[in-house]
Amino acid sequence: GAVVSQHPSRVICKSGTSVKIECRSLDFQATTMFWYRQFPKKSLMLMATSNEGSKATYEQGVEKDKFLINHASLTLSTLTVTSAHPEDSSFYICSALGGADTQYFGPGTRLTVL
Amino acid sequence: QKEVEQNSGPLSVPEGAIASLNCTYSDRGSQSFFWYRQYSGKSPELIMFIYSNGDKEDGRFTAQLNKASQYVSLLIRDSQPSDSATYLCAVNYGGSQGNLIFGKGTKLSVKP
Repeated sequence: GAVVSQHPSRVICKSGTSVKIECRSLDFQATTMFWYRQFPKKSLMLMATSNEGSKATYEQGVEKDKFLINHASLTLSTLTVTSAHPEDSSFYICSALGGADTQYFGPGTRLTVL
Repeated sequence: QKEVEQNSGPLSVPEGAIASLNCTYSDRGSQSFFWYRQYSGKSPELIMFIYSNGDKEDGRFTAQLNKASQYVSLLIRDSQPSDSATYLCAVNYGGSQGNLIFGKGTKLSVKP
């Protein structure tokens, strides 16, 4: 139980394009999902908290207009990186909040912006 | 500033030994504590969580919580090379639902 998927697992795009990443809770409903970013050999950095049916809460320093989050259902949240640049290249990981306030992580999406 | 501190390591133990990973946290109001394992290039996977003082055992893993001293530890018995990974301690301090503060992780290396 408590399986979270992400799609795509890997994406390469040109600078200036937008990329959408999907996060799904497969066997449970998640009112709350989280989006993290992790640079090589660095720790997880929380970008935003996504709540179903309401606006996401962004962490300080994260541009909400650049990282668009939509949590349209209890099993799906999407992160769109708009006008991506090489410095946005990173490992993006979502998690979904399950029972006992436990976060279950998706497998991550590796974004490379050329 | 709520913080979670871990020794970055690397912690090196021989195969079959007990690996002891420690974590301290700054906020006394913290309510729940989690250990995740992260292999290189992969996302974190939950090992176990603990809420109450004392020990909680799950297979080869034991989590220990001492709220008075504000530390939580993870013991791995009979360590295997496949246990080699970075172990992340995470603390829910009772703020936004489910919001965790992560330590930077301890890298464990189990030598055959």
